[in-house]
Amino acid sequence: DIVMTQSPDSLAVSLGERATINCKSSQNVLYSSNNKNYLAWYQQKPGQPPKLLIYWASTRESGVPDRFSGSGSGTDFTLTISSLQAEDVAVYYCQQYYDTPLTFGPGTKVDVK
Amino acid sequence: EVQLVDSGGGLVQPGRSLRLSCAASGFTFDDYAMHWVRQAPGKGLEWVSGISWNGGSTGYADSVKGRFTISRDNAKNSLYLQMNGLRAEDTALYYCAKGKDIVVKNGFDIWGQGTMVTVSS
Repeated sequence: DIVMTQSPDSLAVSLGERATINCKSSQNVLYSSNNKNYLAWYQQKPGQPPKLLIYWASTRESGVPDRFSGSGSGTDFTLTISSLQAEDVAVYYCQQYYDTPLTFGPGTKVDVK
Repeated sequence: EVQLVDSGGGLVQPGRSLRLSCAASGFTFDDYAMHWVRQAPGKGLEWVSGISWNGGSTGYADSVKGRFTISRDNAKNSLYLQMNGLRAEDTALYYCAKGKDIVVKNGFDIWGQGTMVTVSS
């Protein structure tokens, strides 16, 4: 199984400042035939289901603010919130869909400092 | 409006069975793979199972393989999860989720509100 790890476990950022979350997969999730990274990012607020933010590692889902961006390739990925807003307080998960079983990272909690 | 409505959860004794259902609306159901994802209280997300657009391909987490069966009825726009031999560690909020494509290996772009399964004597 592909194991996903995230760092840090939690972070507190001042409003308007940048937040950076890292995700690492135990195996390469870049599919060479289409040059796509099979990696997604989700945001989950308390009491709500998760919301898809990013797929193919860097493609923003429709309606997601452009302050959210994804980068990375192969085994190392990053989710960046360029200017943290109060409504961004949530837990963020990465997920690989390169192979079954599909697996999630443990989550990173983002708070306002 | 695109919507997934999960149902069927409840309190069940260890070793018993339960069947979850998910009713889809607002999109062409048989154009997409569908999934079940669970979240134990206070814990992270765990993919449980996925099924391709026509049911021809399925996948399961190691923790449920052999005990859970995913299925779909495209005529009824519905997804199901038959859970047998339930264990305490299966206690979780179970989400139905829509895949972004016809195949199982994809992300999930629409989620239901979840149905709670509690396994306890």
